[in-house]
Amino acid sequence: DVKVTQSSRYLVKRTGEKVFLECVQDMDHENMFWYRQDPGLGLRLIYFSYDVKMKEKGDIPEGYSVSREKKERFSLILESASTNQTSMYLCASSLLRGHRRSFQPQHFGDGTRLSIL
Amino acid sequence: GESVGLHLPTLSVQEGDNSIINCAYSNSASDYFIWYKQESGKGPQFIIDIRSNMDKRQGQRVTVLLNKTVKHLSLQIAATQPGDSAVYFCAEPDSGGYQKVTFGIGTKLQVIP
Repeated sequence: DVKVTQSSRYLVKRTGEKVFLECVQDMDHENMFWYRQDPGLGLRLIYFSYDVKMKEKGDIPEGYSVSREKKERFSLILESASTNQTSMYLCASSLLRGHRRSFQPQHFGDGTRLSIL
Repeated sequence: GESVGLHLPTLSVQEGDNSIINCAYSNSASDYFIWYKQESGKGPQFIIDIRSNMDKRQGQRVTVLLNKTVKHLSLQIAATQPGDSAVYFCAEPDSGGYQKVTFGIGTKLQVIP
């Protein structure tokens, strides 16, 4: 089975801090994703990466950056944390297929619940 | 843009009964759909998928039905158990490629013992 591991289940940080959320997958997946999940808003894509050192903005990238130095690891960075970034953060990975008809499902970690005070 | 949605935000079902969770989609070009289950405190878990060349696909106690005419899919859970209590999402690939996915808001399934 695919294993996606997020480094922290719960995290409390202060406004203005630089926050790092780490994610590791063990299935050699090319694609990795960061989402945030908020009540009533569902899953929203922040950033994704389809290869090492490659990154693409998702739907809500403002206030975030990412790093993918190794294939198995994808980090989400809150440059200067704000209270509106309090949320559940979910990391996912999937195999890369060149054509949509061979789409592969994403596999998720158990999330990091981040509180910004 | 195109989106995936759900008819019912909450569904309560008696233990042992069958559950049906519905999902409407708006992109008629979508050719692949996924159902996820998210239990409290956990990340979404892949349940089953279906491609547009199929009308029905069965798994263990779950069946997904796809009606392309009315752009509707459903997840049926047979003999619902307390462990089925969760939020269920349908999802479809985003037209932008790179394996991006658009998720519905989710339906909460509550199983009554």
